[in-house]
Amino acid sequence: DAKTTQPNSMESNEEEPVHLPCNHSTISGTDYIHWYRQLPSQGPEYVIHGLTSNVNNRMASLAIAEDRKSSTLILHRATLRDAAVYYCILSPYGNKLVFGAGTILRVKS
Amino acid sequence: SQTIHQWPATLVQPVGSPLSLECTVEGTSNPNLYWYRQAAGRGLQLLFYSIGIDQISSEVPQNLSASRPQDRQFILSSKKLLLSDSGFYLCAWVPPGLEAFFGQGTRLTVV
Repeated sequence: DAKTTQPNSMESNEEEPVHLPCNHSTISGTDYIHWYRQLPSQGPEYVIHGLTSNVNNRMASLAIAEDRKSSTLILHRATLRDAAVYYCILSPYGNKLVFGAGTILRVKS
Repeated sequence: SQTIHQWPATLVQPVGSPLSLECTVEGTSNPNLYWYRQAAGRGLQLLFYSIGIDQISSEVPQNLSASRPQDRQFILSSKKLLLSDSGFYLCAWVPPGLEAFFGQGTRLTVV
């Protein structure tokens, strides 16, 4: 399984943008980049995913490096409800989804 | 519409008792199905995944097993529970190339 590297934790102020990095230097051409988050005592929640191009949705933006060896999840305005563990996952098309340790995001008011 | 159901939500079982957790998917056929476990304060551990009714892969050797009696049904079982089996169990349906859908989870406490 291709691996990802994320910081253990990050801190942000409320109403400010947050950039969560993910390194995946061994990514293959068929690997999709997925981001999920998990709030305390809940199951994972889908955030965004992409293959090669940057992606935007109502929750976040995903910026993918040109060589695809890294990506950044961007929360445009962090709120207290965004405090969670954020997982960056590589998943080949139709293949298994393996979660790593993720990044604990703390949001300060 | 496409939905995923998992039950029960909470379970307290004695050590040595059997376990059966059920997950079903509606609104699709031949789904890729997964079982995960999350121990207290830990990350999500992939236990089993199935890309077809006769194809189940085990990721971690343990006293758990999985079966897929029907196309849209995925069952996690154990013959004899251990204390270390306690945790939050999640079923997931992952359409290829798309977002994953998770069940509500089962919080299992083995006493």
